[in-house]
Amino acid sequence: EAQVTQNPRYLITVTGKKLTVTCSQNMNHEYMSWYRQDPGLGLRQIYYSMNVEVTDKGDVPEGYKVSRKEKRNFPLILESPSPNQTSLYFCASTTSGSLYWSYNEQFFGPGTRLTVL
Amino acid sequence: AQSVAQPEDQVNVAEGNPLTVKCTYSVSGNPYLFWYVQYPNRGLQFLLKYITGDNLVKGSYGFEAEFNKSQTSFHLKKPSALVSDSALYFCAVRDSENRDDKIIFGKGTRLHILP
Repeated sequence: EAQVTQNPRYLITVTGKKLTVTCSQNMNHEYMSWYRQDPGLGLRQIYYSMNVEVTDKGDVPEGYKVSRKEKRNFPLILESPSPNQTSLYFCASTTSGSLYWSYNEQFFGPGTRLTVL
Repeated sequence: AQSVAQPEDQVNVAEGNPLTVKCTYSVSGNPYLFWYVQYPNRGLQFLLKYITGDNLVKGSYGFEAEFNKSQTSFHLKKPSALVSDSALYFCAVRDSENRDDKIIFGKGTRLHILP
C-alpha cells in the first residue's frame, strides 16, 4: 500500500530534550515536506526537500532541522524543543520527477501530536 | 507573494442540502489550486485540483470546485451533503511564477453536516 508513515504518533516531552520525528514514504517520491498545524493558523510549512541532499526552509523553520540522506526518509529534528513547538506535525510527499511537479497533489502522513512541557 | 483565504471558520449545512466552502487566492502568475480534507485523527487527503482547462473540476466523494479567475476564487461544492462529509477542509495554492516551490494552505474551514 502506498503510504507515508510517521513515528511516533504521539509524544510528550520536556523542554530542551532533543527529539526526532521520523517520516518515510514508499512511493519513490522526490519531494517531501514537513508542516505544523495549529488552531486558527492552518498548515504552515517548516522545511521541504526536492530530492536527496536538497533541503530548504519553509515559512516557519526556526527551531527545527531536517536531513535527506535517503530518498524515502525525511526526519524532523528538534534539537532543543520549547513549549511553542507543541503542535500537530504532518509529513507529506509528492513526485517531482517532471517539469510539472507543481501540478501534483501531496500525500500526507497520519500526523504526530507533540506536546512540549 | 501568493496567499489564500478561507473566509469562514465553520460552515453548517443540513444533510441533503447543497454545500459550499469558500476559497479565494492571490498570485502573481497562474494559480495551481487544491482542496484537501482532514477527517478526525487523520492526515490530509487530496480531493481535487485545478491546473488549467475546464473551470469546473470534479473530484473525490462527489465534490466539485469552480475556478473563477475574475473573482480569484475556487469554491468547493457538493450538490447534496452527507453527514460523513463533516470534516476540516483546506484550500491550497501554488503560484506558477513562484520559484521557491512553496504551496500555501488556507487556515481551514470546519464543515458540520447536521442530520
